[in-house]
Amino acid sequence: SYVLTQPPSVSEAPGKTASITCGGDNIGSKSVHWYRQKPGQAPGLVIYYDTDRPLGIPERFSGSNSGNTATLTISRVEAGDEADYYCQVWDSSSDHVVFGGGTKLTVL
Amino acid sequence: QVQLHEAGPGLVNPSQTLSLICTVSGGSISSGSYCWSWIRQPAGKGLEWIGRICNIGSTHHNPSLKSRVTISVDTPKNQFSLRLSSLTAADTAAYYCASERVNSAILSRPSYYYYYYMDVWGKGTTVTVSS
Repeated sequence: SYVLTQPPSVSEAPGKTASITCGGDNIGSKSVHWYRQKPGQAPGLVIYYDTDRPLGIPERFSGSNSGNTATLTISRVEAGDEADYYCQVWDSSSDHVVFGGGTKLTVL
Repeated sequence: QVQLHEAGPGLVNPSQTLSLICTVSGGSISSGSYCWSWIRQPAGKGLEWIGRICNIGSTHHNPSLKSRVTISVDTPKNQFSLRLSSLTAADTAAYYCASERVNSAILSRPSYYYYYYMDVWGKGTTVTVSS
């Protein structure tokens, strides 16, 4: 089964840039989607197809995907960005969705 | 914009079968090339995808749960449902339903179903398995 590895936590000061990685074997060949889950809320989509933003997601959120690592980058971090972030791909070897373990972003 | 709302029993006895319903509003469950998914999350833990049913007619399941999972659609009621059998305490979690969509340009590819993403989520319903 395909495994996605995320750091459990990332911390950054307000106004700085936070990067959340998602590691997987040749993940650059897959489409990666990212979800944000604020405390007490359901997850919501923030990036799809590696780099695309849904309507309503600010340009501060961007994604990249190459080699064995996909990255969610949040520029000019704000207190409201504190949340758990999950990456997701499709495991074509067994035809099912796989989520990363999630990364808790703390804004210092 | 489609909205989703989960409904379920809240508390279920071990060994019993869980039945959850997700009601779709703001759009028809049978329109377009959508898939309809279930995801769960134990308290304090990460997301686990359970499975999905797609308008094109395919279904996919998490291999770790496949033998216990049934997902179906009730088109007249604009709902889809999850049945999870042989419950244990390990099935205690928040359960979410979600719609999955794919870029229409990708639909012509044989592997189009690799490319769905979850664009709308319900608020979730908590299920506790306990006697």
